[in-house]
Amino acid sequence: GESVGLHLPTLSVQEGDNSIINCAYSNSASDYFIWYKQESGKGPQFIIDIRSNMDKRQGQRVTVLLNKTVKHLSLQIAATQPGDSAVYFCAEKSSGSARQLTFGSGTQLTVLP
Amino acid sequence: DGGITQSPKYLFRKEGQNVTLSCEQNLNHDAMYWYRQDPGQGLRLIYYSQIVNDFQKGDIAEGYSVSREKKESFPLTVTSAQKNPTAFYLCASSTPRGGLNTEAFFGQGTRLTVV
Repeated sequence: GESVGLHLPTLSVQEGDNSIINCAYSNSASDYFIWYKQESGKGPQFIIDIRSNMDKRQGQRVTVLLNKTVKHLSLQIAATQPGDSAVYFCAEKSSGSARQLTFGSGTQLTVLP
Repeated sequence: DGGITQSPKYLFRKEGQNVTLSCEQNLNHDAMYWYRQDPGQGLRLIYYSQIVNDFQKGDIAEGYSVSREKKESFPLTVTSAQKNPTAFYLCASSTPRGGLNTEAFFGQGTRLTVV
């Protein structure tokens, strides 16, 4: 079956630096991707999404890049803040599937003071 | 405020007991989902429902049951057949029904512990 995985399980960055979290996916039919942020003991929160007809999408302090050729997705967080410390999940979906998203295992981002 | 409400936040179950986790949404979403999350891992799909009175098994449905009698509600029962039920359970909903791409909105989760 399809799988969505993250390259690094943990990432530590200094406050104020930029963070890059990577994600690989294997389902070539996936055409919708989302990044979620999950704080300890809480449900995932939507950060940003991107459809397969785009390579890049920007939000407030976040940018998602999609490389369909190598099936790679990344989340960039600018000027990382302590409140950004959380687990970040990428998730993918195919328009042809009635199922909901397939999630990766997550990356724990820790912001160092 | 619109959202998804899961209850209880913490739940303790004795061996051999069935327990039911509640999930209610007032977002008028057609689709609802249950996920299980184990420590340090991603979310695995238990059951999903695209419409009232219909639901489908996900990847790890064994030992679980659901019902979808109302659009707003999608309760999950963890039965005694589930051998390792201790986990964090997340309910989600999305719209529209079926294949169009929209994000899922999540509840705050229920932490189930077997004692």
